[in-house]
Amino acid sequence: GQQLNQSPQSMFIQEGEDVSMNCTSSSIFNTWLWYKQEPGEGPVLLIALYKAGELTSNGRLTAQFGITRKDSFLNISASIPSDVGIYFCAGLIPTSGTYKYIFGTGTRLKVLA
Amino acid sequence: SAVISQKPSRDICQRGTSLTIQCQVDSQVTMMFWYRQQPGQSLTLIATANQGSEATYESGFVIDKFPISRPNLTFSTLTVSNMSPEDSSIYLCSVDRQGYGYTFGSGTRLTVV
Repeated sequence: GQQLNQSPQSMFIQEGEDVSMNCTSSSIFNTWLWYKQEPGEGPVLLIALYKAGELTSNGRLTAQFGITRKDSFLNISASIPSDVGIYFCAGLIPTSGTYKYIFGTGTRLKVLA
Repeated sequence: SAVISQKPSRDICQRGTSLTIQCQVDSQVTMMFWYRQQPGQSLTLIATANQGSEATYESGFVIDKFPISRPNLTFSTLTVSNMSPEDSSIYLCSVDRQGYGYTFGSGTRLTVV
């Protein structure tokens, strides 16, 4: 079945540094979503991407929908301690008459003050 | 974002018992989704619940183990039946609402002892 692989698995960075993470698949997706999950909470939607090549920002976060439609990237600029969490990508899969989202393996981010 | 309330937020249950998790949305939605997140893992779709029809289960999940109800357009329940310690996970419901994106409840943290 389809799988979404995220890298890196985890990263430790200094406050103020920029962060890059990506999500790749062997399958084509029509929609990519990026989420952040903090301990004890459900994932919170950060950015949604709907078109190949699309570049979308949300504050310090920028995400891109890869041209091949098999990958997506998330960048965080000037990281701050509250950026700590697990970041998940998700891709939309059409199914018979409906759809579903599958989630990537996650990137665990820790920010050192 | 769409307000999704899940109950209970956490529970500790004896093996062999069942737990029913409730998901209430603040407006009508066609599709509701149930996910499982095992400790330190990503999110895995259990089933999709449409009002007025039987839930559609993903590979590896069966109705006898995870019966789902969808009595109306704002409410759904997921039951984890005949629990074992391997069922210890976070269970999350989600909805896809126009203008709000694919959003999650805060989850139910289940521990089976």
